[in-house]
Amino acid sequence: QQQVKQSPQSLIVQKGGISIINCAYENTAFDYFPWYQQFPGKGPALLIAIRPDVSEKKEGRFTISFNKSAKQFSLHIMDSQPGDSATYFCAARDSNYQLIWGAGTKLIIKP
Amino acid sequence: DAGVIQSPRHEVTEMGQEVTLRCKPISGHNSLFWYRQTMMRGLELLIYFNNNVPIDDSGMPEDRFSAKMPNASFSTLKIQPSEPRDSAVYFCASSQTQGVVGNEQFFGPGTRLTVL
Repeated sequence: QQQVKQSPQSLIVQKGGISIINCAYENTAFDYFPWYQQFPGKGPALLIAIRPDVSEKKEGRFTISFNKSAKQFSLHIMDSQPGDSATYFCAARDSNYQLIWGAGTKLIIKP
Repeated sequence: DAGVIQSPRHEVTEMGQEVTLRCKPISGHNSLFWYRQTMMRGLELLIYFNNNVPIDDSGMPEDRFSAKMPNASFSTLKIQPSEPRDSAVYFCASSQTQGVVGNEQFFGPGTRLTVL
């Protein structure tokens, strides 16, 4: 019940396309859902986050869509650029303020 | 702010040797996390501290691993004795856990450990 399932494991998108990464969870006590971005040789860094009382949050080309009833949330990257190539992690915060992490998605944007 | 500081950045050691990884969290943060990242297992939480107290060490793989946080500005992760399967990138992260603001975790640059 503490798991966060992330898919796909890897994704290749053409430059200018839309990248979509999906996550699903079971624990309805999760109250905060961040996405982290990790470039090679660096630690993960917070990209965008959402609370379950809203269905969508947009920051520039990055959008989180949240479906509370389905217990799913996704990251959309519009107009994907080669500089977006990175590994993306979804996560969910539990009642102990712990982040439960997805397995990660390696995104490659082809020029 | 300098961010989370980790040392060393790279460590190469031989099997059986003791390895100590160090972390300085961001000043004012009251939670500290140690993670291990490998291709096979992804990002794994090893242990986390809240106000210098270990809260959950269930992710520590075995007794060869130990972690301490003697004060709010310093933590160590020790592996003794080290084994080749411990080779990974070890990250330290810190956050402000309490409060209604989302508890963003700030990660250090990581220590790449190679055990020969």
